[in-house]
Amino acid sequence: GAGVSQTPSNKVTEKGKYVELRCDPISGHTALYWYRQSLGQGPEFLIYFQGTGAADDSGLPNDRFFAVRPEGSVSTLKIQRTERGDSAVYLCASSDRGSRDEQFFGPGTRLTVL
Amino acid sequence: GQSLEQPSEVTAVEGAIVQINCTYQTSGFYGLSWYQQHDGGAPTFLSYNALDGLEETGRFSSFLSRSDSYGYLLLQELQMKDSASYFCAVRPGNTGKLIFGQGTTLQVKP
Repeated sequence: GAGVSQTPSNKVTEKGKYVELRCDPISGHTALYWYRQSLGQGPEFLIYFQGTGAADDSGLPNDRFFAVRPEGSVSTLKIQRTERGDSAVYLCASSDRGSRDEQFFGPGTRLTVL
Repeated sequence: GQSLEQPSEVTAVEGAIVQINCTYQTSGFYGLSWYQQHDGGAPTFLSYNALDGLEETGRFSSFLSRSDSYGYLLLQELQMKDSASYFCAVRPGNTGKLIFGQGTTLQVKP
């Protein structure tokens, strides 16, 4: 079946602009996660949705970052007033909360802020 | 807070066995996971240890010792395609988020 998909695959923007990154999870997965990965680092947790609600947003770095999942499937990560430090690969993952903690990752969106 | 430590790089030859260690400091967690990531690719799940001991999945095995705050991933019969980054991760408490280590880059040489 189809895996997690993310669009766009690459996004180049200018400092101060607004961007939206989209994630389509695996059908039927109730849990959805956003992570951010910088070069040479492990994924860094941003936010976790269980259904439509954000169950844990403790990883969002500041109030410029916001994410929604209005119908419990597709999610959008929104970044306002982008800064050069926001440049990274933004990964989305979904899971069917079983005991093995397996999360299925999408290919990521590479965000470059000039 | 939580922190995980892994070696930054490991090199081994094709056909050999390699062990990638992960030590962690966390007040409590639900289990230790391992993920593989090829250059430019998505992390993919390899294994999960909820309890102490060894879990085996084909050429890969993973071990957890909660009393020692330590785990490892064992890769046997190394193949060139195993060249990738390997991350250990913990799920702290009853939330869905994973806390990842910084990753170990494995280079397999012929």
